[in-house]
Amino acid sequence: AQSVTQPDIHITVSEGASLELRCNYSYGATPYLFWYVQSPGQGLQLLLKYFSGDTLVQGIKGFEAEFKRSQSSFNLRKPSVHWSDAAEYFCAVVLGGATNKLIFGTGTLLAVQP
Amino acid sequence: EPEVTQTPSHQVTQMGQEVILRCVPISNHLYFYWYRQILGQKVEFLVSFYNNEISEKSEIFDDQFSVERPDGSNFTLKIRSTKLEDSAMYFCASSEDGRPIDTQYFGPGTRLTVL
Repeated sequence: AQSVTQPDIHITVSEGASLELRCNYSYGATPYLFWYVQSPGQGLQLLLKYFSGDTLVQGIKGFEAEFKRSQSSFNLRKPSVHWSDAAEYFCAVVLGGATNKLIFGTGTLLAVQP
Repeated sequence: EPEVTQTPSHQVTQMGQEVILRCVPISNHLYFYWYRQILGQKVEFLVSFYNNEISEKSEIFDDQFSVERPDGSNFTLKIRSTKLEDSAMYFCASSEDGRPIDTQYFGPGTRLTVL
């Protein structure tokens, strides 16, 4: 079935440690790819997005994501996590063509321990 | 920095009542959206709106739902007769244009509780 999958529901990392959040999609063609973050009481904020070009994309707050066509993945990374990064992270796609609706994954809740 | 605003932040209503959720999109944006997130579930698309018309809607967006841009700044979602299962966080979003790669900017959400 067509979907966006975030296999990790909940991740805990130590402050200063590296982070990788996984996202896989299953669509016939490569969709437009997005990562959003939702902090408590806040709306969804775009971290980065990708459609074409360099497969390593830089975003805000020190995040980056790498597109791997062979694995249908768009994983989000950060070299050193800060306590303020604790939030829920959503991978999303837009299929394009006649639609621009975002299709979201289930989200990954990140906890950061001191 | 411009932002999308939503009111109220929390709305409690009785089943069968009508509710109107309000949003003020970013001023130069042309596309507007509503999404919802039922507790513990994915964020789901409801509807997109452009040039005073619905441009796309999901299966969720049935006859109980309607959207309107009543003036030059507000964008509203009306649920005519609320059901228990309408309890969710409702997010409004806007984008400058409707290109698939265009960023959709989200508001903080309205939590709707139907009793």
